[in-house]
Amino acid sequence: AQSVTQLGSHVSVSEGALVLLRCNYSSSVPPYLFWYVQYPNQGLQLLLKYTTGATLVKGINGFEAEFKKSETSFHLTKPSAHMSDAAEYFCAVRSTTDSWGKLQFGAGTQVVVTP
Amino acid sequence: EAQVTQNPRYLITVTGKKLTVTCSQNMNHEYMSWYRQDPGLGLRQIYYSMNVEVTDKGDVPEGYKVSRKEKRNFPLILESPSPNQTSLYFCASSRPGGNEQYFGPGTRLTVT
Repeated sequence: AQSVTQLGSHVSVSEGALVLLRCNYSSSVPPYLFWYVQYPNQGLQLLLKYTTGATLVKGINGFEAEFKKSETSFHLTKPSAHMSDAAEYFCAVRSTTDSWGKLQFGAGTQVVVTP
Repeated sequence: EAQVTQNPRYLITVTGKKLTVTCSQNMNHEYMSWYRQDPGLGLRQIYYSMNVEVTDKGDVPEGYKVSRKEKRNFPLILESPSPNQTSLYFCASSRPGGNEQYFGPGTRLTVT
């Protein structure tokens, strides 16, 4: 069985500071990995994904994440936070053997950006 | 525009009154899914469908029904809603094996 753990349900960052959101997974086989963002009163939007290839993945809005197999982690970063980054962020995994795309989500991290 | 639509966006109802939340996608996706989002729990899958007339239970199916009579539509049915079904519901769709699920805008349901 797979599971996803996001450390920190709330993160507060200053505008211009580094954003770091932590995600660890538990799986017998490394899964596909995703980060989704949810802006207020909206659905989820894919930020980035790792399936195969380069372990450093770049996404939209200046975000990137690195898959570290040895640490079973897929942490999300952005060098400089912007006010528009205030949102809830979800890490998700999908088994590589699941052709039907079932996602397992973490509990989410709410990001607050202060001026 | 490629999109997943849900209706209604907001719904307040009373215990036991049957309701249906509709979901429609215009991307010809085979795979559709319903999730509920609760604080501290993230999104949990309720039901999913792999194609027309093919549905299966997700992680939290109790108290819900679904149907898939047409490829584009995947309604969520609550036959007898209870207060513990107060939640934010999302519909999503994707291609088989697709690495991106497309989410609807959500339906906020309150059961009193």
